[in-house]
Amino acid sequence: TQLLEQSPQFLSIQEGENLTVYCNSSSVFSSLQWYRQEPGEGPVLLVTVVTGGEVKKLKRLTFQFGDARKDSSLHITAAQTGDTGLYLCAGATSNDYKLSFGAGTTVTVRA
Amino acid sequence: NAGVTQTPKFQVLKTGQSMTLQCAQDMNHEYMSWYRQDPGMGLRLIHYSVGAGITDQGEVPNGYNVSRSTTEDFPLRLLSAAPSQTSVYFCASSYSNPGATYEQYFGPGTRLTVT
Repeated sequence: TQLLEQSPQFLSIQEGENLTVYCNSSSVFSSLQWYRQEPGEGPVLLVTVVTGGEVKKLKRLTFQFGDARKDSSLHITAAQTGDTGLYLCAGATSNDYKLSFGAGTTVTVRA
Repeated sequence: NAGVTQTPKFQVLKTGQSMTLQCAQDMNHEYMSWYRQDPGMGLRLIHYSVGAGITDQGEVPNGYNVSRSTTEDFPLRLLSAAPSQTSVYFCASSYSNPGATYEQYFGPGTRLTVT
């Protein structure tokens, strides 16, 4: 059983559309990270959120950490084909190096 | 900086064979980890190390051994390969910061097939 549940598992949209990916848990995390992974490569860190209710923006990507620090969302505005990839969320608890990863959301942006 | 490097990129083993997956980092990070990635299951932690000479088990340690003799290197040994160990293996490094967020820097991965 995954500690972090991501939804949807797959998402296919047209270029220019918006999308949201969700990461939910019943556990409280001290911080939550989002990674993007392209085929044949390792995941690359996009952002870390640490404060309940925090919103961070990275160009067209908006990340939000839930008030209770149990969930997070990733919103992409006007998606581009370069946004295609596997998006993973990972949660950390205080004083524990071991991260818990979600199963990932595969995003495909069609031209 | 090369970051985190892994060798080999691809490997095919027969059941029962042993091998070592190599991982090295040049960022002087104290933490290093090994994960396996299987379809629909995300990344699962195999073993990790919080410094040279210190290792510990993760979520799925059975069938794997690790050692950490230097800060830079963290090899993963498969003792007797089984088809269930067919997967993509990622090595990652991290460093401690005041927020204890442990962001992971991943290598490019090793795709292992056990027949």
